[in-house]
Amino acid sequence: DSGVTQTPKHLITATGQRVTLRCSPRSGDLSVYWYQQSLDQGLQFLIQYYNGEERAKGNILERFSAQQFPDLHSELNLSSLELGDSALYFCASSVRGTGDEKLFFGSGTQLSVL
Amino acid sequence: SQQGEEDPQALSIQEGENATMNCSYKTSINNLQWYRQNSGRGLVHLILIRSNEREKHSGRLRVTLDTSKKSSSLLITASRAADTASYFCATVINQAGTALIFGKGTTLSVSS
Repeated sequence: DSGVTQTPKHLITATGQRVTLRCSPRSGDLSVYWYQQSLDQGLQFLIQYYNGEERAKGNILERFSAQQFPDLHSELNLSSLELGDSALYFCASSVRGTGDEKLFFGSGTQLSVL
Repeated sequence: SQQGEEDPQALSIQEGENATMNCSYKTSINNLQWYRQNSGRGLVHLILIRSNEREKHSGRLRVTLDTSKKSSSLLITASRAADTASYFCATVINQAGTALIFGKGTTLSVSS
């Protein structure tokens, strides 16, 4: 158990809908990362937060948004969903968010857009 | 975009054999990390090697780093069926600064 909690584990929805994925980092970790994993694109970095502030942005679509709350949990919002958004979404956390420390990954949210 | 590229994409070996996976990257790095992912599960950190280190060991794992060739290798000795997983290298792109960028991974199958 990594200590990173992601909910829900599975999500099935329809095109055009909006969903929210939730992540609770390990106790003491201030930084949260979101990744999208699909067969064709591999593991893509979406966005990183540190102590409530955005720190780095990757290949995150404009239809997607995220935030980190004062209690350090984070949410990834996906809107106007398309079939191609079906993927495994991972949250990871680290202490300082500096890129020279290991990440702890959650078990992921499997999103299926039908 | 990927910073690291693993090679081979897939590797099948017998239990007891050694498995070697390679990672090449494009820009200068401060450190490189290796992670393992069992099918459909979250990634698990294996080892971090800094740019001033050439080799690092952890149990049956041996990681090397050649910054002049911009490459790293992960060696798993005496493989076990439980080592069956995908292995990823990850680095920080200096421009991004803090976010780990992962390669597409090597899928290792160890048969008994």
